[in-house]
Amino acid sequence: DTGVSQDPRHKITKRGQNVTFRCDPISEHNRLYWYRQTLGQGPEFLTYFQNEAQLEKSRLLSDRFSAERPKGSFSTLEIQRTEQGDSAMYLCASSLIRDNNEQFFGPGTRLTVL
Amino acid sequence: AQSVTQPDIHITVSEGASLELRCNYSYGATPYLFWYVQSPGQGLQLLLKYFSGDTLVQGIKGFEAEFKRSQSSFNLRKPSVHWSDAAEYFCAVPGASGGSNYKLTFGKGTLLTVNP
Repeated sequence: DTGVSQDPRHKITKRGQNVTFRCDPISEHNRLYWYRQTLGQGPEFLTYFQNEAQLEKSRLLSDRFSAERPKGSFSTLEIQRTEQGDSAMYLCASSLIRDNNEQFFGPGTRLTVL
Repeated sequence: AQSVTQPDIHITVSEGASLELRCNYSYGATPYLFWYVQSPGQGLQLLLKYFSGDTLVQGIKGFEAEFKRSQSSFNLRKPSVHWSDAAEYFCAVPGASGGSNYKLTFGKGTLLTVNP
């Protein structure tokens, strides 16, 4: 078990460009979550998957954001036409479906939009 | 809606001193409660969790927390702080659908500075 991994760890992009982040959860975990964390704040929920189904999306997830988990394993989060306000740390977490289980977090992808 | 409040934005303690970080929650039923720690530039690591049963829970790195329903609190404690404990600490609860592994709502965090 290598834990949750995220790629890239850092991304610098210019405003208006598209970016894509990848998350590989712990292998047997059915649920996968995306959070966003801005400076000085706690993480905020964006969306989550149960296997390949996207079950909930936050109002924070504008139509420029899209997430997929095509085979119920890894997930991607794409941001189109990035804006400076998208600069943040994007955290991925995974967990088992069964209750009484916690979420395990990856190291995050830090996005800077210039 | 479920929420947590961490009243202290920044706390400074001396190495070897005791520590208590406050967390107050708002939750409709018996809550699941978590404390996570985040070192600079890193993701979140689970310190401890409360699901039910014994109200005093032990975690990793010598941390413990006590669930007090009457005060709606879940404060994190450590008897003797080490310089390596300097980090940001987050309290969290799952969302309205219940279940420990539903989406989490985090407090704004408490930044801990440890003086030598």
